[in-house]
Amino acid sequence: TQLLEQSPQFLSIQEGENLTVYCNSSSVFSSLQWYRQEPGEGPVLLVTVVTGGEVKKLKRLTFQFGDARKDSSLHITAAQPGDTGLYLCAVLSGNQFYFGTGTSLTVIP
Amino acid sequence: DAGITQSPRYKITETGRQVTLMCHQTWSHSYMFWYRQDLGHGLRLIYYSAAADITDKGEVPDGYVVSRSKTENFPLTLESATRSQTSVYFCASREFYEQYFGPGTRLTVT
Repeated sequence: TQLLEQSPQFLSIQEGENLTVYCNSSSVFSSLQWYRQEPGEGPVLLVTVVTGGEVKKLKRLTFQFGDARKDSSLHITAAQPGDTGLYLCAVLSGNQFYFGTGTSLTVIP
Repeated sequence: DAGITQSPRYKITETGRQVTLMCHQTWSHSYMFWYRQDLGHGLRLIYYSAAADITDKGEVPDGYVVSRSKTENFPLTLESATRSQTSVYFCASREFYEQYFGPGTRLTVT
């Protein structure tokens, strides 16, 4: 059983379009992280959200933590080819991090 | 430069051989982790370490051994490599809620 479910699994869009990807769980977490992984590289931390309802913006990326701290979304405005990659959400439970299986995003020029 | 380095970046080995993957961090973070990443499974934790000489199993520890004699180093050893251990291996360290990853080692077991 996957602790974190991410959707969609794959997403292919045209440059300039907007998109939202989701990270859902039935458990409550004190924080949630989003990472982006490009081919051949390790995941890179984008943001950590810690408060229910929190919204954080990173340029064209908007991250939201659900009010109940069970889910999160990542919205990208006007996607660019440089946004292509695998987007992973993760939570810390005890001493371990648990990752979702990711959303693979392709932005077509 | 500060960060996490992994070596080798690519490795091909034969079934039954012992292989050691190296991980070095320059931040002095207490926690370090080893993951494997496979299509359809995402990132799975193999072992982690809370400090020098303290290690614990993760989700998929069978066939792997770790040690941590110094805070900055966390090597992962495959005692007798099997084809099912063909994967990309990532080392990471932790500061508070956040993890920082190395560039990965792509291991192929033939």
